[in-house]
Amino acid sequence: SQTIHQWPATLVQPVGSPLSLECTVEGTSNPNLYWYRQAAGRGLQLLFYSVGIGQISSEVPQNLSASRPQDRQFILSSKKLLLSDSGFYLCAWSLGTGPTVYEQYFGPGTRLTVT
Amino acid sequence: AQSVTQPDIHITVSEGASLELRCNYSYGATPYLFWYVQSPGQGLQLLLKYFSGDTLVQGIKGFEAEFKRSQSSFNLRKPSVHWSDAAEYFCVLYNFNKFYFGSGTKLNVKP
Repeated sequence: SQTIHQWPATLVQPVGSPLSLECTVEGTSNPNLYWYRQAAGRGLQLLFYSVGIGQISSEVPQNLSASRPQDRQFILSSKKLLLSDSGFYLCAWSLGTGPTVYEQYFGPGTRLTVT
Repeated sequence: AQSVTQPDIHITVSEGASLELRCNYSYGATPYLFWYVQSPGQGLQLLLKYFSGDTLVQGIKGFEAEFKRSQSSFNLRKPSVHWSDAAEYFCVLYNFNKFYFGSGTKLNVKP
C-alpha cells in the first residue's frame, strides 16, 4: 500500500533562517506531487506541483522553492524565512491514470512557526 | 476561470441530526469534484469524488454528495451526524493537474 511521509512534524524557526521540508511517497511510481500551505482559519493554497523529476510548477510568487530530486521525493525550501511563511504545510500525491486517478493523498503536515 | 465556493464557514448541528454542506463551483466543462475532510492538526482524507455518470455519489463514513449541473453545486450530505464527524470539510475541483480548494466549512457537533 502507499504511504506518504512528511518531516519534521513541527518546526520553529527565526525570521531570516533557511527552511527545508521533506516529503516522500512509498508504494507508487511516478506520482504527481503537491505542496500546499494552510494558514490559520483559511483553506489550502497550492504552492507547487510536480508531474515528474525536475519538473516544478510554481503557483504563487514567494520566497519559497521546491525541488524533486527523485521520483518520490519532494522538497520545499527557503533561503530566508519571513513571518508570513508561518502555517501548516501539506504534501500530497496523486496519480494521473488508473482507478484512483486524481484522488489526492495527503501527508500528516508540518506546522511551521516563524518567530 | 475555475473556482470553488463554500458559503458556510461554520455549521453546528446536533448529534443524530442530518447535515448538508454547500459547495458551488465555477467551471466551463464537466468538473471533477471531490470532498475532503480534515481533523484538527491532521492531513486531509478523501470522502468521495464525482467524475461523471450517476449524479449521486456515495462515499466513506456514510457521506454522499449530489452533483447538480444546473445549480453548479456539489453539496455533501449525511443523514445522521456522529460526534466524530466534527472536522473541517473541503470541496475541491480538479483541472489540468491542479486542485482548487474551497475555503472550507467547520462542522461542530452538539451532544
